[in-house]
This record gives sequence, structure tokens and C-alpha cells, in this order.
Amino acid sequence: KNQVEQSPQSLIILEGKNCTLQCNYTVSPFSNLRWYKQDTGRGPVSLTIMTFSENTKSNGRYTATLDADTKQSSLHITASQLSDSASYICVVSAAPDKLIFGTGTRLQVFP
Amino acid sequence: NAGVTQTPKFQVLKTGQSMTLQCAQDMNHNSMYWYRQDPGMGLRLIYYSASEGTTDKGEVPNGYNVSRLNKREFSLRLESAAPSQTSVYFCASSEGQRTGWYGYTFGSGTRLTVV
Repeated sequence: KNQVEQSPQSLIILEGKNCTLQCNYTVSPFSNLRWYKQDTGRGPVSLTIMTFSENTKSNGRYTATLDADTKQSSLHITASQLSDSASYICVVSAAPDKLIFGTGTRLQVFP
Repeated sequence: NAGVTQTPKFQVLKTGQSMTLQCAQDMNHNSMYWYRQDPGMGLRLIYYSASEGTTDKGEVPNGYNVSRLNKREFSLRLESAAPSQTSVYFCASSEGQRTGWYGYTFGSGTRLTVV
């Protein structure tokens, strides 16, 4: 069964600290993996997209890693800001035509 | 601003009522999608349209119908609303095929409550 599991479900950190969110997947055949940021009351916004051949991709203070052998991905946020408070969703594409969404990690950044 | 526009933002329906959720994109994208988001669950695909004139069922199509009016507009209709359809609905668009390299652009959502 194709599944995407994210951990932790929720996370609280202080402004300026770093954090790492995890995504484990059992999806076959794998096509690509995406991370989205969803602010409260808004739609998801794309952060990164990676294929199996990419190990790391950055978007500003966001860095995603992918280990296709262990079927794990992580999203690292550096020097967190209050505006990073959001849900972060891992999405895995299964060829030819299926997207599997994780349930997300809710991040709260406090001053 | 370029993007995906959804209307309305909020709606309360009584069981059995019907309504249409509207979605329009101005990015000249070929593909459009309707998702629902429920607490504790990932987004689930209701219907999608790979190109103007075509529509296909997703994971949870029961109780819904769609219309791809033109390249810009993709509407979702609830013919007889049920409490189980209480959810947040998102419209999205992408330049290419569903699982290809192209990212999705999402609208800001419609929060629907069926009482």
C-alpha cells in the first residue's frame, strides 16, 4: 500500500533555532518527492521537488534531503522565523499518475 | 496577482442542498484538480482535468461532479450535500501531467460545512 508518514505530528521551537522534519514513504514506483508549506487558512505552497537522483535541494533557509534507498526524506529549516509557523506536507509521486500526500507536521515558532 | 482563485471562501449548507465551487487560474496551465482536506488526513483527489474538455475521477469522487468550462475554469458541484462532505476544498493547477516534474499551484481553499 502506498503510504507517506511524517514525523513529528507537531513541533514547537524558539525563533532562531533549527529544526528537521521527517518523511518516510512506501511508494512504488517512485517518481519524485515534494515538500509543501501550508499557512493556516491558505493553500499549500511548493518548497522543493526532487527526483530519486537528487540527494539535496535548497530553497533559502529550507533544505530538503532524499535517501531513495531507505525511502526517507527530511526538511531542515535553518534559523527559524515566526513566519515559518505552518504545516509542512510531504508529497510523493507514484508513476504514472498518483500523488500521495502525508498528513503534515505542524510547526509553531515562538519568540 | 497570478494564481488560482476559488470562490466562495466559506459556505454553510443544509443537508440535501446543492452548490457549485468555482475555480479559475490565469497561468495558462493545462491541468486542474479538486482536492479535499480533512483533519488527520492527507489531501485526497476528488476529480482532475488533464486538459480542456477532459475530466477524470480521483480517489473520492462519489457525491461530486465537475465541469471544465474552458482552459481557465474548473468547477466542482455537490448535487445533494451530506455532512460527510464537510471539509476544506482546494483547487489546484499544474502546467503538465499529474505526477510530472511540474509543481502544483493551489488556491486558498473553500471551507464548507454541511449541517
